[in-house]
Amino acid sequence: GENVEQHPSTLSVQEGDSAVIKCTYSDSASNYFPWYKQELGKRPQLIIDIRSNVGEKKDQRIAVTLNKTAKHFSLHITETQPEDSAVYFCAAGNSGNTPLVFGKGTRLSVIA
Amino acid sequence: NAGVTQTPKFQVLKTGQSMTLQCAQDMNHEYMSWYRQDPGMGLRLIHYSVGAGITDQGEVPNGYNVSRSTTEDFPLRLLSAAPSQTSVYFCASNLGAGTGTSNTEAFFGQGTRLTVV
Repeated sequence: GENVEQHPSTLSVQEGDSAVIKCTYSDSASNYFPWYKQELGKRPQLIIDIRSNVGEKKDQRIAVTLNKTAKHFSLHITETQPEDSAVYFCAAGNSGNTPLVFGKGTRLSVIA
Repeated sequence: NAGVTQTPKFQVLKTGQSMTLQCAQDMNHEYMSWYRQDPGMGLRLIHYSVGAGITDQGEVPNGYNVSRSTTEDFPLRLLSAAPSQTSVYFCASNLGAGTGTSNTEAFFGQGTRLTVV
C-alpha cells in the first residue's frame, strides 16, 4: 500500500520568512496530493491540492510543487504570518478504491 | 449544509466499557472514513467505507467495528475500551471522482476526544 513520509516534524521560522515542508510517496498510482492545515483543537481543513498532471499550483502565499519522477511534493508558504502557525499534513490519494494516506504532520511555528 | 457532524465532542470511558461514536454527513458523499490522531503519529486510518453496505479495514482496525447502513451515517463502535484507545477521533467524507475514492477534498468532522481510564 501507499506510504507517505513527511519532513520536518517541527519547523520554526521568523515572521516574514518562507517555510517549506516536504513529502514523499511510494505508490506510483497516486495522483492526488492535498495539504491540510490543522489549528490547535480544530479539525484538519484543505488549504491546497495538486493533481499529477500539474507540476505546480499557487494560491496567494501558498504553493505546492510535484515531482512525479522522484515521487515527492512540497508545500511552500511565503511571507509567513503568526496565523500560519499550525500542524500541516500532506496526503496522497488515487483513482482506485483506497482512501487517503496521510503523512505524520509538521508543526509550524511562526515567531513574531 | 451542516457538513460532517460528530458526536460526542468529549467522552470518558472506563476500561472495558463499550460505546459508539456517531458520524453523519449531509453532502451525499459516497466515501467515509474514521481516523485516530495521536501526538506525533498523524492521522491513522481505522476503517473506511466506499458506499452503503461496504466497509473495509484501515491501518489500525483492532478493537473497532463499523457499519454503513445508509449513505449519511458511519458510526464507529469501541467494543471493549482500552487505555490505548485514548485519542482524538475524526470522521471524514469525500465525494470521489470517477471511480476514485480518495481523489477529492476530504471534509472532517470536529473530532471526538476520547479518554479511557
